[in-house]
Amino acid sequence: GENVEQHPSTLSVQEGDSAVIKCTYSDSASNYFPWYKQELGKGPQLIIDIRSNVGEKKDQRIAVTLNKTAKHFSLHITETQPEDSAVYFCASRGGSNYKLTFGKGTLLTVNP
Amino acid sequence: NAGVTQTPKFQVLKTGQSMTLQCAQDMNHEYMSWYRQDPGMGLRLIHYSVGAGITDQGEVPNGYNVSRSTTEDFPLRLLSAAPSQTSVYFCASSAPGRGGDEQYFGPGTRLTVT
Repeated sequence: GENVEQHPSTLSVQEGDSAVIKCTYSDSASNYFPWYKQELGKGPQLIIDIRSNVGEKKDQRIAVTLNKTAKHFSLHITETQPEDSAVYFCASRGGSNYKLTFGKGTLLTVNP
Repeated sequence: NAGVTQTPKFQVLKTGQSMTLQCAQDMNHEYMSWYRQDPGMGLRLIHYSVGAGITDQGEVPNGYNVSRSTTEDFPLRLLSAAPSQTSVYFCASSAPGRGGDEQYFGPGTRLTVT
């Protein structure tokens, strides 16, 4: 089955800096790649997603890039703020079903 | 819309006890799934359903049963709880068949098995 690797597991940045989280996937048929943010004590919430026919997508301070050849995708957060502190998960969805496979998560801490 | 609701929020069980975690959604989503979240392990799929009457196993199905008699409800049953099932459980729903790829998650149930 699909395997998703996520790095780093923890990331600490200063307020205003950029943060980058990277994921790789194994199934070349995967066609949908969402990113979720999970705040303490809550369920994950979608922040941005990208499909395999697109190389980059941006939404204000958040962007995602996808390299299908290398089978990796990345989350970029610019001008980080303390409220960006959370656990971030990447995921991928294969071409034959709706199941999501998640990475193990990145704990992002933004220091004021 | 209430979205995805889960009950209870917290539960403590003794080894061997059984219980049902409830999940309901009011968005008419055909796809529903259960995940467990353990420290350092991310979210792992337990069971999922693509519609009423249809369920299938995910990555870690052992020790859990599900059924889907209505579009709205997708309960998860632990038949004989074990300490290894101590975890946080999340239910999620989406409508991928209608272009709704986003999975909406419930607030979770924190289960402790002693």
